[in-house]
Amino acid sequence: QKEVEQDPGPLSVPEGAIVSLNCTYSNSAFQYFMWYRQYSRKGPELLMYTYSSGNKEDGRFTAQVDKSSKYISLFIRDSQPSDSATYLCAMSARSGGYNKLIFGAGTRLAVHP
Amino acid sequence: GEEVAQTPKHLVRGEGQKAKLYCAPIKGHSYVFWYQQVLKNEFKFLISFQNENVFDETGMPKERFSAKCLPNSPCSLEIQATKLEDSAVYFCASSPPGRADYEQYFGPGTRLTVT
Repeated sequence: QKEVEQDPGPLSVPEGAIVSLNCTYSNSAFQYFMWYRQYSRKGPELLMYTYSSGNKEDGRFTAQVDKSSKYISLFIRDSQPSDSATYLCAMSARSGGYNKLIFGAGTRLAVHP
Repeated sequence: GEEVAQTPKHLVRGEGQKAKLYCAPIKGHSYVFWYQQVLKNEFKFLISFQNENVFDETGMPKERFSAKCLPNSPCSLEIQATKLEDSAVYFCASSPPGRADYEQYFGPGTRLTVT
């Protein structure tokens, strides 16, 4: 079983829809939770990070972490065609300096006009 | 610079040949990470540096892979005697001091094709 599970999609939505992307994880030591966006043939772009449980909002993006359920989400409001990309969740644990990122498989999102 | 720079963009090597990839971190960042992205978006951590010191090398296949970050030079990742399964996109990421757990900024990657 992978440490981080993410549905690869693809997810296809109409422009303006609310998108929900999710990851589950098994390692309770994870403390930092990140969402990256990756366009085709580009490097991952950091969207947001959250420490421990709670919500964080940045413009049209909201990240949620529920450590009790080991479940994280990214919501995209008023989705745009330019949001079409692969969304990767990533996590890290601070344990003796351990800070490599563990990634989910990525969810491919297509927003059509 | 304000972005992580990686060279070359593409690299083609015959099986058994050497490959060397370069990474220039964002100015002022003290951590550098190397990741390998294979099919289906799977990212695998290889090695990390704090300045020129190896911080974590638990992901490195040491028999063929080596990496360095020397002062005033781009960081490098070298693969001796490449194998077909080394075909992947290699990403470098850098982090500012104290924020390596959650702020890793990625470069555009080097696509390595081993034939």
